[in-house]
Amino acid sequence: DTAVSQTPKYLVTQMGNDKSIKCEQNLGHDTMYWYKQDSKKFLKIMFSYNNKELIINETVPNRFSPKSPDKAHLNLHINSLELGDSAVYFCASSRGLKQFFGPGTRLTVL
Amino acid sequence: DQQVKQNSPSLSVQEGRISILNCDYTNSMFDYFLWYKKYPAEGPTFLISISSIKDKNEDGRFTVFLNKSAKHLSLHIVPSQPGDSAVYFCAARPIFGNEKLTFGTGTRLTIIP
Repeated sequence: DTAVSQTPKYLVTQMGNDKSIKCEQNLGHDTMYWYKQDSKKFLKIMFSYNNKELIINETVPNRFSPKSPDKAHLNLHINSLELGDSAVYFCASSRGLKQFFGPGTRLTVL
Repeated sequence: DQQVKQNSPSLSVQEGRISILNCDYTNSMFDYFLWYKKYPAEGPTFLISISSIKDKNEDGRFTVFLNKSAKHLSLHIVPSQPGDSAVYFCAARPIFGNEKLTFGTGTRLTIIP
């Protein structure tokens, strides 16, 4: 009975490819987020959506495009993948001050 | 420029003793603080939080202390148990406005049986 789920859990791909990561939450939360944890284990916000509307867009290359088809889903599409995109990507959701995280997607770009 | 810092990358504590994890912040706009626990290959799990109107919040074995003047918070776990072995992240945000969490780099806690 997963609250915030992500697919896939692992993703290995070649440089230059386009890939998507999906996120779904069944908590009824209004706000969803994407975070990136880099090789130094630093967790940093990328995007935030509230009721399908983009509210936070940190300094992220425009190769990254979030898409929220509805309040329960926030997908992340990455074009022209680069080696430096290798990281663990976490989806999260919130209603109020606390954020709840998914299990993460480990992306490896070769 | 790291606005939330956890200066101890690792900490080892004997089972049954107290574990104290520290966190410092620089942004005076932060007024809500959270601790997350993370096991390998899992997402961070919310543990406990505190707002700047309080200086202490307790939940079972976990207590968070906030010293606003020093811009410092700490998480106390007592007694420490083997299942507490994980990476602990401190995070901060303003209560109103920008909802993003700013995280520290984490402290790996190992409980020695």
